Amino acid sequence: DAGITQSPRHKVTETGTPVTLRCHQTENHRYMYWYRQDPGHGLRLIHYSYGVKDTDKGEVSDGYSVSRSKTEDFLLTLESATSSQTSVYFCAIGDYGYTFGSGTRLTVV
Amino acid sequence: DQQVKQNSPSLSVQEGRISILNCDYTNSMFDYFLWYKKYPAEGPTFLISISSIKDKNEDGRFTVFLNKSAKHLSLHIVPSQPGDSAVYFCAASGGDGNKLVFGAGTILRVKS
Repeated sequence: DAGITQSPRHKVTETGTPVTLRCHQTENHRYMYWYRQDPGHGLRLIHYSYGVKDTDKGEVSDGYSVSRSKTEDFLLTLESATSSQTSVYFCAIGDYGYTFGSGTRLTVV
Repeated sequence: DQQVKQNSPSLSVQEGRISILNCDYTNSMFDYFLWYKKYPAEGPTFLISISSIKDKNEDGRFTVFLNKSAKHLSLHIVPSQPGDSAVYFCAASGGDGNKLVFGAGTILRVKS
């Protein structure tokens, strides 16, 4: 979707290294979310934000942190990447109906 | 504990026939339900939604039915087309603010 950009689209990293994924929106939306998609689990909420500097944990937040210093940017950081964090990560914006970005495929080796 | 369950991992349907995708939920606080469609290497896209005050919502070939007493919803696609082949996610909100809870997804294959 043109209103949401995720970067990078693909990344391979080593176990134990920090990784930051970026979500950028041009819709000026208040709410932003990070989900991960895994087979058999669907989409699970990692963290979400309801405004600048206002963030909260989701269902699977262990090992992840987020920051939102500007309305348009929501960063997801894996503090020390593990193989269990190999996944596809999606950013979304919206109230009751979300618009998703195209995803970041992260592989931790 | 999964609050939204899609018990069929996959479904195969002949082109032109009806596709029925099912979803069950456990949280009685959910009051808004959505279906998303996802193609490979793309993000999920919104398909159709229904509020708990309704039992049916229709949009072209897509109809969602909600049975609150059974905590069950279904998505009907009629007629099915090969381009409908994708992963379909059921989602619900209302239990905890406006955050969406998703099911595991159902892979739909429409054969031509």
